[in-house]
Amino acid sequence: EIVMTQSPATLSVSPGERATLSCRASQRVSSNLAWYQQKPGQAPRLLIYGASTRATGIPARFSGSGSGTEFTLTISSLQSEDFAVYYCQQYNNWPPGTFGQGTKVEIK
Amino acid sequence: EVQMLESGGGLIQPGGSLRLSCAASGFTFSSYAMNWVRQAPVKGLEWVSVISGSGDITYYADFVKGRFTISRDNSKNMLYLQMNNLRADDTAVYYCAKKEVGSRPFDYWGQGTLVTVSS
Repeated sequence: EIVMTQSPATLSVSPGERATLSCRASQRVSSNLAWYQQKPGQAPRLLIYGASTRATGIPARFSGSGSGTEFTLTISSLQSEDFAVYYCQQYNNWPPGTFGQGTKVEIK
Repeated sequence: EVQMLESGGGLIQPGGSLRLSCAASGFTFSSYAMNWVRQAPVKGLEWVSVISGSGDITYYADFVKGRFTISRDNSKNMLYLQMNNLRADDTAVYYCAKKEVGSRPFDYWGQGTLVTVSS
């Protein structure tokens, strides 16, 4: 099973600042990597797929990059609604599509 | 608009059974593989099971294999998860999730239903 490792566990950022989240796969997953956002009491929402393609309706301040084993989610200028937990998921080895443990983005 | 609504969760004793349902709308249900994904309290996401659009192919995570059964009724746009021999570590919010065709991730999720296994 491919293990996905996210860092950091918690990221403290001020509104308007840039946030950079990392995700590492234990094996190469090509570009078959997705990012999800989850707010308290809500279901996850797809942000990015194919490592860098924004899902429908996702603002341009969200961007993804990487391939192989190293991936990054960047939020260029954090808005109040962006404070949430973010998960990466590989779907190259499917099933299962394994998830990372999450990065919580909190207000500094 | 794509919508999925889970139901059937609740409090159940260890060893008991529960059947979860997911009512889907807003897309051609039979064209898409459907999944169950769970999230234990204050924990991350964990894939549980998938069923193909036609219902003839299913896969399970090792930790539910032999205890859970996924099924679907395409005439009713319904997805199900029959959970038997439940354990305390099955306690979680269970989400149904639609998987886009091909090498793509889950593009839509339901709001989830909470299953609590406790005596």
